[in-house]
Amino acid sequence: GAGVSQSPRYKVTKRGQDVTLRCDPISSHATLYWYQQALGQGPEFLTYFNYEAQPDKSGLPSDRFSAERPEGSISTLTIQRTEQRDSAMYRCASSLQENTEAFFGQGTRLTVV
Amino acid sequence: DQQVKQNSPSLSVQEGRISILNCDYTNSMFDYFLWYKKYPAEGPTFLISISSIKDKNEDGRFTVFLNKSAKHLSLHIVPSQPGDSAVYFCAARRMDSSYKLIFGSGTRLLVRP
Repeated sequence: GAGVSQSPRYKVTKRGQDVTLRCDPISSHATLYWYQQALGQGPEFLTYFNYEAQPDKSGLPSDRFSAERPEGSISTLTIQRTEQRDSAMYRCASSLQENTEAFFGQGTRLTVV
Repeated sequence: DQQVKQNSPSLSVQEGRISILNCDYTNSMFDYFLWYKKYPAEGPTFLISISSIKDKNEDGRFTVFLNKSAKHLSLHIVPSQPGDSAVYFCAARRMDSSYKLIFGSGTRLLVRP
């Protein structure tokens, strides 16, 4: 696609529910990143993919967080048993390869009530 | 422990004058620095970058200066325009993990007409 697309734009969920966020990267981009951004802060790295491989998931805050990119294109970020502290903007980005310019999507704002 | 710090949450400048946004870092392993610009309801977009082997990089109205001994970089915008009003994020990456950007908390720039 023309840019990085994320859905939904907004998600409100009850504490304890599972949520899945979706990212559709720029079509030619091998590398895809997930970041979490708290209010008033900069984005914080969660994990990334080169095609379908996930070399680093050290930024995921807990084992309730997982990400997939099974066919090396679209990616999902799943948060199980959501907690209020999971409320944040979740940003996806993609780049041609690892150390090239990253293009960010508009983000998904998650609110856990 | 914030490795990249933007100590000014906001800055207001008159149109036509210079805007100077500052960023400090603590990790001497950072070898590449970037500035991202973010408008409301959009994702951050890449603006300008600098490698640690340089002390200055210029692109039109935007210049980034790097002072490695002080672990400090700054973004100069000359002349400032109302369309430059946005949040500016400083980011850094390490040579051994070039896929991961470490962001500051951002500075909101307002350029007054």
